[in-house]
Amino acid sequence: DAGVTQSPTHLIKTRGQQVTLRCSPKSGHDTVSWYQQALGQGPQFIFQYYEEEERQRGNFPDRFSGHQFPNYSSELNVNALLLGDSALYLCASSPRGGYTDTQYFGPGTRLTVL
Amino acid sequence: SQQGEEDPQALSIQEGENATMNCSYKTSINNLQWYRQNSGRGLVHLILIRSNEREKHSGRLRVTLDTSKKSSSLLITASRAADTASYFCATALNDYKLSFGAGTTVTVRA
Repeated sequence: DAGVTQSPTHLIKTRGQQVTLRCSPKSGHDTVSWYQQALGQGPQFIFQYYEEEERQRGNFPDRFSGHQFPNYSSELNVNALLLGDSALYLCASSPRGGYTDTQYFGPGTRLTVL
Repeated sequence: SQQGEEDPQALSIQEGENATMNCSYKTSINNLQWYRQNSGRGLVHLILIRSNEREKHSGRLRVTLDTSKKSSSLLITASRAADTASYFCATALNDYKLSFGAGTTVTVRA
């Protein structure tokens, strides 16, 4: 049984560019959450997708957007990249609508903005 | 702002010793979870304790929760080199997101 997978593993972009990160949830999971983890910090909640809609959002600007597909996989898009967007982006999946259940995390995508 | 704060920020112990780290939080919670992260990669769920529970065990892990003090502790007994990692507490409110602290970095020396 595959766990949560994320792609790409690493990504280097320049300021002002746009980036798309991808996540496939664990089999049987229908909810995907995205987190941003800056170096030396804990993960910060960006948003959560359930039934192809954004259900809740953390304190992140509109430059951060997402999508969930019918197969429950998800994308995170970041527009107009800033240096401060450099971080590890973690995707987590959970079952049964994800109401504060245990979340299963992927290995993350390391984004570097130059 | 982060809901949980871990203490200490870093911990260095000898293999075989116990490691204890604490987490304090600010508001009422639904549950509290502990995660481990190796070398800046994905987080691994360790244990979940609900607000009506006081103590939980899983293998060499023991978690306590004191809702009156808004605090939790994670004890790792008989530590091993493989326990070297960052440990995070995450609180779950009555919604869908987890709020993480900044973590405790544990180094187990051989």
